[in-house]
Amino acid sequence: AQKVTQAQTEISVVEKEDVTLDCVYETRDTTYYLFWYKQPPSGELVFLIRRNSFDEQNEISGRYSWNFQKSTSSFNFTITASQVVDSAVYFCALSEAWTGGGNKLTFGTGTQLKVEL
Amino acid sequence: NAGVTQTPKFRILKIGQSMTLQCTQDMNHNYMYWYRQDPGMGLKLIYYSVGAGITDKGEVPNGYNVSRSTTEDFPLRLELAAPSQTSVYFCASSKRQGGWDSPLHFGNGTRLTVT
Repeated sequence: AQKVTQAQTEISVVEKEDVTLDCVYETRDTTYYLFWYKQPPSGELVFLIRRNSFDEQNEISGRYSWNFQKSTSSFNFTITASQVVDSAVYFCALSEAWTGGGNKLTFGTGTQLKVEL
Repeated sequence: NAGVTQTPKFRILKIGQSMTLQCTQDMNHNYMYWYRQDPGMGLKLIYYSVGAGITDKGEVPNGYNVSRSTTEDFPLRLELAAPSQTSVYFCASSKRQGGWDSPLHFGNGTRLTVT
């Protein structure tokens, strides 16, 4: 069975610091997708990024960047120059290939990020 | 385009009562899901549906029922509410094209308390 581990329960940083959120996953499949979602204090879940198992290219989007390493089964997320608006719970999730269609995600327990002035 | 809409936003139930959490989407997505989120935990899949008339159990289906009579609607039914069902419930949908790799679009959640 698949599993996603986010060992960091809570991280506090001062605004403008860089912060990395760790995600380690377990799966027997060779084909899978990884996701990051953000849950701000308002409670909704916001999709940030997905990455498939065949594409280990790291990605940068503005202040966000993602580092996918199959060798260590990790998919880490870095926020550069953090801002107070980045304060949220961040979830890493895994989807394995299956023939039924759809996208059944296995979520990690989330990392609460607090960015203070 | 409202996306995924859940009602109600909040509800308090007494033990043994029943209720239906409503979920509707206007994106013509084939796939729909119900997750629950407990404090300090990730989301766990309760039920999902790959199309009208087709539903299946997820990781934590006990105590719940679903139906999918239309593409748009995917209600979640609690028959005999128990304190263990106190949680935040999220409905989500995703599109057929791209199949299992499509991002899920989530509703804003329903906060349910059973006392």
